[in-house]
This record gives sequence, structure tokens and C-alpha cells, in this order.
Amino acid sequence: NAGVTQTPKFRVLKTGQSMTLLCAQDMNHEYMYWYRQDPGMGLRLIHYSVGEGTTAKGEVPDGYNVSRLKKQNFLLGLESAAPSQTSVYFCASSFAGVGYTFGSGTRLTVV
Amino acid sequence: GENVEQHPSTLSVQEGDSAVIKCTYSDSASNYFPWYKQELGKGPQLIIDIRSNVGEKKDQRIAVTLNKTAKHFSLHITETQPEDSAVYFCAATEGAISGGYNKLIFGAGTRLAVHP
Repeated sequence: NAGVTQTPKFRVLKTGQSMTLLCAQDMNHEYMYWYRQDPGMGLRLIHYSVGEGTTAKGEVPDGYNVSRLKKQNFLLGLESAAPSQTSVYFCASSFAGVGYTFGSGTRLTVV
Repeated sequence: GENVEQHPSTLSVQEGDSAVIKCTYSDSASNYFPWYKQELGKGPQLIIDIRSNVGEKKDQRIAVTLNKTAKHFSLHITETQPEDSAVYFCAATEGAISGGYNKLIFGAGTRLAVHP
């Protein structure tokens, strides 16, 4: 039972490049989330999903897109990366919004 | 929307002492309040949570108290040990949308250092 798995763990992008972060969970959770973590700012919600085929905006959605084509996967896309998107990204899943399980994070640097 | 404030941002204690971290929230409809521990290089891990119909909950050396009237909740760690050193986050639900706890809003975190 792996829980929540994020790939890749590290990535360096040039400004303007695009990439997709993958999150996979094997707990049959309906709800999934993407957060970013910046020093002194805690965890801020980017987008979330309450079921397959659904997505919704969080606190800081600009510059990101998401898709939930399969219940176990939640993808976060950056279409045109900017230095302000340098951060550590965490995916999480939960059963009806309670008891989040987090992945180990993706450290993204945009130069 | 929900706003969660957490204090202090850093906390240093001697091994064996108690540590207290406090959070306030703004949304009176919030009904679920978890605490997470994040060790260096890892994702946050749930350590304890409390629901709005309970005032206090304990789990060994960890306890959480909730005051719904004042809209604040606290984490208490007794008999601290060096392995308690980590960053701790509080969180609160943004209302109870669609009858469920759809999303959590987190505090900025407290870096706890326990010195031997």
C-alpha cells in the first residue's frame, strides 16, 4: 500500500516551459488536492477534486490547470512556467475531506 | 473564505517541557480541525484532529483543545522529546460545503525545536 505517490520528486524548468506533475493514490479516496508550500506561508490550495471528472479552484489557481480523468490520478499542469511558481508541491487525498494523506512532494525550480 | 492564523512561528523548548501552539480561524461554519507534523524533506502527516462537537481530545502526549465561541484551537505536547522537532501545521475546513468537509485551509506553520 503506497498511499500517495508524486512524480517527479525534483524538476528544474526554464521560464516559459510546460510540465505536468502526477499524483496517484491507491486508497480509493474520492477527494484529491494540490497544494504549494512556500517559506513562511504554509500550504496553499491550488486546485482540488471531489470525484472523477470534477475539479475546482482553490486559493491560488492562476497559472495552473488540473485534470482528474481517473479516480486514482490527479494531474497538475503548468502551461508556461514562471519563477513565481518555484515551490514545493504537495498532493493529498482524503475520504470525504477528513484525514488527508499527503505525498512526499515535488520540488520545482523555475529559472 | 476561511483564514487561519497560527502562533508562534518558532518555538524552542527543553526536552521534557511542554509545548503549546495556538491557531485562530475566521469561518464560524468550520467543523473539522486537524494538526499535521512535517519532518524535513517529507510531506505533512496527520497527528491528531478534532471535530466541532468535541472540546478536547488526547492521544498519549498530544492533546488538542477547541473553543468554538472564541474560534480558536490549540495543540499541546507534553514531555517533549527531540524527535518532536518538526514543523507543525494547524488547519480548518472552509465551511461545510455540500454537506462534506471539502477542503482545508492551513496555518503558516510553527517550527518546533526540542533541545536535549
